[in-house]
Order: sequence, then structure tokens, then C-alpha cells
Amino acid sequence: RKEVEQDPGPFNVPEGATVAFNCTYSNSASQSFFWYRQDCRKEPKLLMSVYSSGNEDGRFTAQLNRASQYISLLIRDSKLSDSATYLCVVTWGGNYQLIWGAGTKLIIKP
Amino acid sequence: DAGVIQSPRHEVTEMGQEVTLRCKPISGHDYLFWYRQTMMRGLELLIYFNNNVPIDDSGMPEDRFSAKMPNASFSTLKIQPSEPRDSAVYFCASSLGAGTSFEQYFGPGTRLTVT
Repeated sequence: RKEVEQDPGPFNVPEGATVAFNCTYSNSASQSFFWYRQDCRKEPKLLMSVYSSGNEDGRFTAQLNRASQYISLLIRDSKLSDSATYLCVVTWGGNYQLIWGAGTKLIIKP
Repeated sequence: DAGVIQSPRHEVTEMGQEVTLRCKPISGHDYLFWYRQTMMRGLELLIYFNNNVPIDDSGMPEDRFSAKMPNASFSTLKIQPSEPRDSAVYFCASSLGAGTSFEQYFGPGTRLTVT
């Protein structure tokens, strides 16, 4: 089992719809969680951190489920510009270990 | 600030040649990371530095790969000799710290093709 797993997709979603995807992790000692966004042939950029109580940033909501060891990202009222690959990253340890998921590709269709 | 700067943006070389990738992190950032990204393996952390000191190089694939950070504003990743399986996009990233508040800022990447 991979340490961090994501459904590669692609998720094909009509504009305006709500879409959600998860990222599961195997290390129960994981401490910090993030969602990054990567556009085609570009570098990853931080979308949002994931806090224990869940957090929201505009149309985006991130949640953490420690019991089941996964994080989720929900996008409401999706826009064409949301089309990208969404990467999760999980960190742990005093020596700063981090593992990236392989990413979920999202395609928003008009 | 101009962000993380990487050079070259594209590199095409023949198998067996030495390749040197360069990175200038954001001024004031304490951490510098080198990544490799391929379709098959995704984004892999190769090595990272804290205050110019290599902390974890467990992701470096083999002895053909080496990385240095001689000062706070410059790092190199060297592959010698290069092989076709090294073809990938290599990203450099820097961050102000680590832990719950970190954000990694990525450079535009170097697209390496080894023929």
C-alpha cells in the first residue's frame, strides 16, 4: 500500500457542479496536511492547508478524518479555471518527513 | 521577490553526459527542496536542506545524483553520468520553515530529456 494515495481520475465535472475527492495516508503519526494545485506543465502551488477542525476558503473546503486517515477536498460551484491536478501532501516527524500523493486530475466542462 | 529561480528551463543531453541543474531560493527561506516528477512516479522528494545543510537525502536515487548548497542563495543538483531514465521535470522549492505553517514555493522546473 502506498503511503499516500489518491484517485488519479480524471474527474469530469460540469461547470457549476460540486466535486469532492479524498487522499488517504498510512502513517498514523502524520501531523500536517496540505492540498496543492498543479496546472498542466506548471509547478505545484499551495491551495490550502488542512486543519483538524476543517477549514474553508471560498468555494473550497478541506477536512481531515484522523480516525479513517484521510483528507478531503470539496469544490463548490466549480469553474472552468478549477481544471487542474490536485495533489495532497502529508508531513510527519521531527526531522520533517513528507510524502506527496500522485494527484487527482479534475476537468471542468462547460 | 522574483520567486524561486531555476535554470536551465529545458535541457536535452545524451546518455553519459553530466547534467547540472541550478536553483536560487526565495531570499530568507531556510529550507530548500529538490523534487523529480514523472508520469509514472509522480512527485518525489530527492533531498532537502535546512540552512544550507543536507538533512535528508534518502530520496536520491543513486550515487549518480548529488546536490550541494554552498550558500543560502544557490543550490545545484548534478547527475553524472546521466541515463534516459533520468528524464523528468526537476523542481526546486523553498520554504520559510517546516511544520503546520509551511508553504513550499516551487520554481518553474527544469525539463530534462536524456537521449
